[in-house]
Formats: sequence, C-alpha cells, structure tokens
Amino acid sequence: DGGITQSPKYLFRKEGQNVTLSCEQNLNHDAMYWYRQDPGQGLRLIYYSQIVNDFQKGDIAEGYSVSREKKESFPLTVTSAQKNPTAFYLCASSGWRLGTGNTGELFFGEGSRLTVL
Amino acid sequence: GENVEQHPSTLSVQEGDSAVIKCTYSDSASNYFPWYKQELGKRPQLIIDIRSNVGEKKDQRIAVTLNKTAKHFSLHITETQPEDSAVYFCAASIGGTASKLTFGTGTRLQVTL
Repeated sequence: DGGITQSPKYLFRKEGQNVTLSCEQNLNHDAMYWYRQDPGQGLRLIYYSQIVNDFQKGDIAEGYSVSREKKESFPLTVTSAQKNPTAFYLCASSGWRLGTGNTGELFFGEGSRLTVL
Repeated sequence: GENVEQHPSTLSVQEGDSAVIKCTYSDSASNYFPWYKQELGKRPQLIIDIRSNVGEKKDQRIAVTLNKTAKHFSLHITETQPEDSAVYFCAASIGGTASKLTFGTGTRLQVTL
C-alpha cells in the first residue's frame, strides 16, 4: 500500500532541545516537502527537495533543518533556534503520475504534532 | 512572492444548499490552482485543480472557476452533504508544479442537517 508515513504522531519536547521528525514515502516521488500548519494560517512551506542531495528553503525555514540522503526519506529537524515550534507538521511528496502526468498534486502524510513544554 | 487570500474563514450551510469559497492571488504568473480538503484529524487531499488555460472545471458536485483578469478563483460545491464538512484550502503556483505552491488560510465548512 503506497503512501507517506510520518513519525512520531505526537511528540513533546523541552525548550532548548532539538527534535527530528521522520518522513518516509514509497511512492517513488522525486519531490518532498515539509509544511507547518497553525490554526488560521493555512499551510506554510518550511523546506522542499526536488531531488536527492538537494533541498531549498521555503517561506519559514528559520530554525529548521533537513536532509535528503535517500529518495524515500526527508527528515525534518526542529532546532532550539525555532522560536515557536509548537505546531502540526505535515510532510508531502509529489511526482509524475502514470496516466495523468500531473506533477502538481501533493500527497500528504498524517502529520506530526509537536508540543514544546 | 505570491500571496493567496481566502474567504470566508468559516461557512455554515444547510444540507442541500450550495457553498462557495473564494480566493485571490497576487502574482499574475501563477498558472496552477488546486483545492485541498482536510477532514477533521485527517491529511489534506486534492479534490480538484485548474490550470490557467481553462476558465472552469467540474467534477460531479464540485466545480472551480478561474478569472485570470481579476486574479481570483472559486470553489463551488452544490447539493452539500454532511460529509462535505471539512477545512478547504486553495493554493496557487507558478510553473504548474507543487514546488511553488502558496496556500490560502483555509475555510471551515460546516454542513448542517
């Protein structure tokens, strides 16, 4: 069953600690994304990667870091420099779809909810 | 960069009525406009999208219209049902791919019996 898996679903962190959120996909998609979702603010792009070993900052990259060592994996680290890290984080991927050719559709994971205590 | 505004933030309709959600965008180079639906506690999912070479697209009870001159696009849901209750997000991108998507702030639609 193809899809995107995020873990953990819920995470608690003390101030000053770094935390890494996992995102794995088996859709064979080239592109992967991290979004942050806050109430009333929609989805804001943190980082994205269009190919292995390459990634670009999104609109709110400060205080976050990513890596893309494998096509299937795109982990996000929320560092202690992120001033307001409590949020719901969504990972997504996109790619060429046989039959439609649409590279615009995002496939999302179920999200990780991070709470800083 | 691109800015997408979405209205209203909440919308309540009776079952069977129509619902309309409107979005405006700022960058005239944007050419791809998807709509995502996020049910409570679930992941967002694409429900319909439109590209700038067409003005309207329909899929059963949902339709999207695009006015490039005015830089706005709308989602229309007819014959609403309780399962339509969700948060809807519009988005816009340049180049027709997901890599430059800018999302609106979302509309919470409640369909009442």
